[in-house]
Amino acid sequence: DAKTTQPPSMDCAEGRAANLPCNHSTISGNEYVYWYRQIHSQGPQYIIHGLKNNETNEMASLIITEDRKSSTLILPHATLRDTAVYYCIVRDYQGGSEKLVFGKGTKLTVNP
Amino acid sequence: KAGVTQTPRYLIKTRGQQVTLSCSPISGHRSVSWYQQTPGQGLQFLFEYFSETQRNKGNFPGRFSGRQFSNSRSEMNVSTLELGDSALYLCASSLEGLSGANVLTFGAGSRLTVL
Repeated sequence: DAKTTQPPSMDCAEGRAANLPCNHSTISGNEYVYWYRQIHSQGPQYIIHGLKNNETNEMASLIITEDRKSSTLILPHATLRDTAVYYCIVRDYQGGSEKLVFGKGTKLTVNP
Repeated sequence: KAGVTQTPRYLIKTRGQQVTLSCSPISGHRSVSWYQQTPGQGLQFLFEYFSETQRNKGNFPGRFSGRQFSNSRSEMNVSTLELGDSALYLCASSLEGLSGANVLTFGAGSRLTVL
């Protein structure tokens, strides 16, 4: 029942930009898009989030389409340490309860 | 500042037993949420506590329960353990909750093995 769709896996060469897409076509107008990543067996790590405008921080950039139905996470210069599963998340609200649904994520492999 | 601390990191139980896991949030964070991660089902939301009250709940049976103390520390309990409860249990804290501009900070997890 994930509200987001991501490719299951992607590869990227070290030093190149990694562009990870996410489809969230049912997102509501006031819901944020969050990106987290999980390196094997560790707790997920927050990367970035956004509502309407593009966002940039020290880790990544987030590009959100004007209709807000999709977004792209950009790691500008991928390193081997960026190999992880990347989750694009929006809030899900069902039966009076809200939660974050992680889905399967995208396994990004950065190759030397 | 100190991160989210989960204890114990690893534990082994047998079927039918019960287990209690602990989570100490980042200082000042009032929301604590819990997640179960298995290879087959991925990361699934268990519940969220805010100001000592369960505010949101996922689709898990009543064997899974939790509580939050006045200092925001949280515990989750699983009773009558089943083999399928073997998983990495993660907790996350945030200032105010799951939505809006709230950012979750996760702990390293407690890995439970049920034999």
